[in-house]
Amino acid sequence: EVQLVESGGGLVKPGGSLRLSCAASGFTFSNAWMTWVRQAPGKGLECVGRIKSRTDGETTDYAAPVRGRFTVSRDDSKNILFLQMNSLKVEDTAVYYCTTLSTIVPWGQGTLVTVSS
Amino acid sequence: EIVMTQSPATLSVSPGERATLSCRASQSVRSNLAWYQQKPGQPPRLLIYGASARATGIPGRFSGSGSGTEFTLTISSLQSEDFAVYHCQQYENWWTFGQGTTVEIK
Repeated sequence: EVQLVESGGGLVKPGGSLRLSCAASGFTFSNAWMTWVRQAPGKGLECVGRIKSRTDGETTDYAAPVRGRFTVSRDDSKNILFLQMNSLKVEDTAVYYCTTLSTIVPWGQGTLVTVSS
Repeated sequence: EIVMTQSPATLSVSPGERATLSCRASQSVRSNLAWYQQKPGQPPRLLIYGASARATGIPGRFSGSGSGTEFTLTISSLQSEDFAVYHCQQYENWWTFGQGTTVEIK
């Protein structure tokens, strides 16, 4: 089955850290450019970070609000995507989705990150 | 950053009627435009990519058109399961999304 399954969300205090994971199956993960997209409660979609495939240099890009705080990485041997989030702020509260631009890979259900004191 | 603007914010339509949603880009994205449908508590579902190509399993009543900066999603005859939020997304340069259009029952 083709799927993406996110995990690792939870409640964290401002300034804290969290590491999200995304397990991929049913497609050639190593060839995919993978992206983390978040959606704050009642708000729209925002791309926060992306990692290219190894063959394309495995380079990363980040949205301005998270640059320097978030890091995207991947383990192609285990088909897992990661999002390391440091120095978390209240405004980082959102459902985080991993995804890829594909007609066959549906978005995962997402994982909720709540940043609150 | 390419800014995507969707209109209207809310569209009230009766079942069986036609719905037309618009999306404008702040600069040309050529045909690198996708449309997603999202229902409450669910992730977005890809409907259209390449501005006009239907994704796998998407019914023919969904169609996309446009290129450059102006795009349209048309739902030819609304079914009950089509009432949802629709997002446009450009992938020409990074990924940015519109703020969404809510299609509600009139």
